[in-house]
Amino acid sequence: DAGVTQSPTHLIKTRGQQVTLRCSPISGHKSVSWYQQVLGQGPQFIFQYYEKEERGRGNFPDRFSARQFPNYSSELNVNALLLGDSALYLCASSSTPTEEAFFGQGTRLTVV
Amino acid sequence: RKEVEQDPGPFNVPEGATVAFNCTYSNSASQSFFWYRQDCRKEPKLLMSVYSSGNEDGRFTAQLNRASQYISLLIRDSKLSDSATYLCVVNGDGASGGSYIPTFGRGTSLIVHP
Repeated sequence: DAGVTQSPTHLIKTRGQQVTLRCSPISGHKSVSWYQQVLGQGPQFIFQYYEKEERGRGNFPDRFSARQFPNYSSELNVNALLLGDSALYLCASSSTPTEEAFFGQGTRLTVV
Repeated sequence: RKEVEQDPGPFNVPEGATVAFNCTYSNSASQSFFWYRQDCRKEPKLLMSVYSSGNEDGRFTAQLNRASQYISLLIRDSKLSDSATYLCVVNGDGASGGSYIPTFGRGTSLIVHP
C-alpha cells in the first residue's frame, strides 16, 4: 500500500519566488496536515484540511496558503519566499483530524 | 509556558538501559496524544498512541497523567537502533475550547551506545 507521497523531494528557489508543494494522502484518509520543520525543532503546524475544508491554521503569515482537492490530495503554496522559509515541509494524513497521522518523506526547500 | 514541552536531551545511555521521557502540555482540553520517532533528516514515524489507561508495545510503554498534564514514554532494554529523536504530539478535538491544532514538542534526543 502506498503511504503518504510528497513532491518534489527537494527544491531550490530564490527569494521572492513562489512555490507549490504537493501531497497525496494514504488511500481512505480524508485529513491532511502540513508542517514546517527547521533543524533542531519539532514540526510546526501550518494547516489542516478535512473533507476539503480548512479545520486549523497555525501561526504562519498569509503568504502561506493551502487547499485540498476532491480526491483529498493537497497543495501548499508559499508566496514571496524569504530565506527563513528554508525548511523541511512535511505532509501528514489521517482518517480524521484527531487520529494518528502518518507522514510523507517531506519536501526540503532551500531559499537562496 | 510553551504548549508542549520536552527536555531536548540528549539522553546518552548504554545498551540494555531503561530510559524515560516526559512531555508536559498546557491545554487541559487536549484529547489525544502520540509519540513519534524521527531519525536524522527523515520524516517522523508513529511510535504509539497514548491511552488514558496506559499502553505497552513490546519494550515501549506510554502513559498519560491528565491531572499533572504530562505523557511519558518508557523504553526498556535499549537497543542501538533506538537512537533517534522522540517527539510527543498533543491534539485537541475542537470542542470545549480545545484546538484541532496538533502540537509537537521539540523532541528528545536519545543516543544508545555499546
